[in-house]
Amino acid sequence: AQSVTQPDIHITVSEGASLELRCNYSYGATPYLFWYVQSPGQGLQLLLKYFSGDTLVQGIKGFEAEFKRSQSSFNLRKPSVHWSDAAEYFCAVGGTQAGTALIFGKGTTLSVSS
Amino acid sequence: NAGVTQTPKFQVLKTGQSMTLQCAQDMNHNSMYWYRQDPGMGLRLIYYSASEGTTDKGEVPNGYNVSRLNKREFSLRLESAAPSQTSVYFCASSEFGAGVYEQYFGPGTRLTVT
Repeated sequence: AQSVTQPDIHITVSEGASLELRCNYSYGATPYLFWYVQSPGQGLQLLLKYFSGDTLVQGIKGFEAEFKRSQSSFNLRKPSVHWSDAAEYFCAVGGTQAGTALIFGKGTTLSVSS
Repeated sequence: NAGVTQTPKFQVLKTGQSMTLQCAQDMNHNSMYWYRQDPGMGLRLIYYSASEGTTDKGEVPNGYNVSRLNKREFSLRLESAAPSQTSVYFCASSEFGAGVYEQYFGPGTRLTVT
């Protein structure tokens, strides 16, 4: 079955500390992988995406993610977290066919402490 | 360039009432989607339209109908609203080609059914 697992429901990180949000996926075909961020009451903003090539991808707001095929993982990282990064983060996987919808994980809520 | 727009932003319905959520995109995308977001559940696909003239059920289609009115517009109808349909509804559109898969989301409609 196709699925995305985000093992951590809620994470608290101190401002300035590093961050890693975990994502594991199960997908039968070549996957496209995404990370989205959602601030309270807002829509979803694309942070970064992976299609092929270099397995370390850079996104907006200083985020990066590494695709590891052998581990079926696509973890999101940031070296130094800012208070404004507090939000909910969603990992998603999609197929390469036109019209393929995304399958989302249940999300990880990030809190930032001062 | 407005991207994906949704109306209304907020709506309160009584059980048994009907309503239509509107979605439009100005990016000339072929594919459009409706998702619902519930706390702790991530986003789940309700219906999608891979191209103009086609619609297909997603993970949670019961109680909903859709219409792909033209390439730009994709509406979601609740014929007889139930409290279980209280949720945030997101419309999205996507394009695929030349190795690119982009999915963009609207700002959401917050629906409460009492």
